[in-house]
Amino acid sequence: GAVVSQHPSRVICKSGTSVKIECRSLDFQATTMFWYRQFPKKSLMLMATSNEGSKATYEQGVEKDKFLINHASLTLSTLTVTSAHPEDSSFYICSARNRGGSYGYTFGSGTRLTVV
Amino acid sequence: DAKTTQPPSMDCAEGRAANLPCNHSTISGNEYVYWYRQIHSQGPQYIIHGLKNNETNEMASLIITEDRKSSTLILPHATLRDTAVYYCIVDQTGANNLFFGTGTRLTVIP
Repeated sequence: GAVVSQHPSRVICKSGTSVKIECRSLDFQATTMFWYRQFPKKSLMLMATSNEGSKATYEQGVEKDKFLINHASLTLSTLTVTSAHPEDSSFYICSARNRGGSYGYTFGSGTRLTVV
Repeated sequence: DAKTTQPPSMDCAEGRAANLPCNHSTISGNEYVYWYRQIHSQGPQYIIHGLKNNETNEMASLIITEDRKSSTLILPHATLRDTAVYYCIVDQTGANNLFFGTGTRLTVIP
């Protein structure tokens, strides 16, 4: 089945620094990838849709300058949390749609970000 | 926005069938129903999806009512490892993304 690899799984960073999270589709091409954020005991909240070769589409209330998304190839999208603050601490999850298969959307394993 | 409603939590005895309901009364004719589950601190895992007909795979069965306004996910023999949050999602065709509702937290009890 389709596999999406997300890295790193955990990261701790200092306030004011930036953190990059990678999302790779390993065995299929994904023209579109999606980034979610999840707070403890809450559901996933869609942050943005990442389009290969073009600008990402952000959901209402998500700061595009804060959460930079780059989708430079058909298998890689990155999310950079810039000038991180403790309130950015969360679980970030990416997903990609495998149009060629029957599994719908495939999700990465998530990244636990802690800003200290 | 999520177009589904699910009970917030359910318990199921180990070895018994777990039946998880979902209402999607505003579903459109070309929208699929997807089920995912999320075990603590992991990404969601695909379970099954369907359009009109009932579906079965190695993980579960999906029963969709004839009017398509609701569905039920059936885990035929629940194990402790099935304890997770189960999300029922309507694929908003053309929107090219998935919006998650609150899901059902299933606890399988020994």
